[in-house]
Amino acid sequence: QSALTQPASVSGSPGQSITISCTGTSSDVGSFNLVSWYQQHPGKAPKVIIYEVTKRPSGVSNRFSGSKSGNTASLTISGLQGEDEADYYCCSYAGENTVVFGGGTKLTVL
Amino acid sequence: QLQLMESGPGLVKPSETLSLTCTVTDGSISSSSYFWGWIRQPPGKGLQWIGSLYYSGSTYYNPSLKSRVSISVDTSNNHLSLKLSSVTAADTAVYYCVGYFDWSSFDNWGQGTLVAVSS
Repeated sequence: QSALTQPASVSGSPGQSITISCTGTSSDVGSFNLVSWYQQHPGKAPKVIIYEVTKRPSGVSNRFSGSKSGNTASLTISGLQGEDEADYYCCSYAGENTVVFGGGTKLTVL
Repeated sequence: QLQLMESGPGLVKPSETLSLTCTVTDGSISSSSYFWGWIRQPPGKGLQWIGSLYYSGSTYYNPSLKSRVSISVDTSNNHLSLKLSSVTAADTAVYYCVGYFDWSSFDNWGQGTLVAVSS
């Protein structure tokens, strides 16, 4: 069970859109529509912003969207705002009641 | 809204057993169809799922930690417990308690507690 692969960092200017990829295998991301994304600000617990690949929990901005193609899931943040600067983690169900996280991506808003 | 709070020693010696407790408030740890679990994050690094327990008592562990981990519940005190044996410096991390309905996402998180492994 290996960690999902995410870029270490991404950046964008306010108002722009960015996309963070999350690459797994046919045993996790590719097999299940159970990919979730978490936002973590420094010193805080992670917060779910996307679940089941594309769904947003109540209260999460519609500027956050998710998608999946094959073994790769993606998180897109549109209309970047300063408050979006944080670490982002993807997570996928990997079968047999286990999950695997990505290594995390640091988003910098320029 | 479910509230989770982790507690336990902030320092554990190498080779000893790390023991943490998660207190659940504004909800019952015996709630049907609910999972409870532990996730950790070494300083400056990413998240790692440690393991989970279903309300029925079934437990599920990360294969890489399975030989050293035990998760249990104390329903009388609404507590979730984590025990990690034979710890090394690599087990130094912030440990989070989580509660969730299914494998679609980890909905509720505790604030986390830092545990350092050092002599």
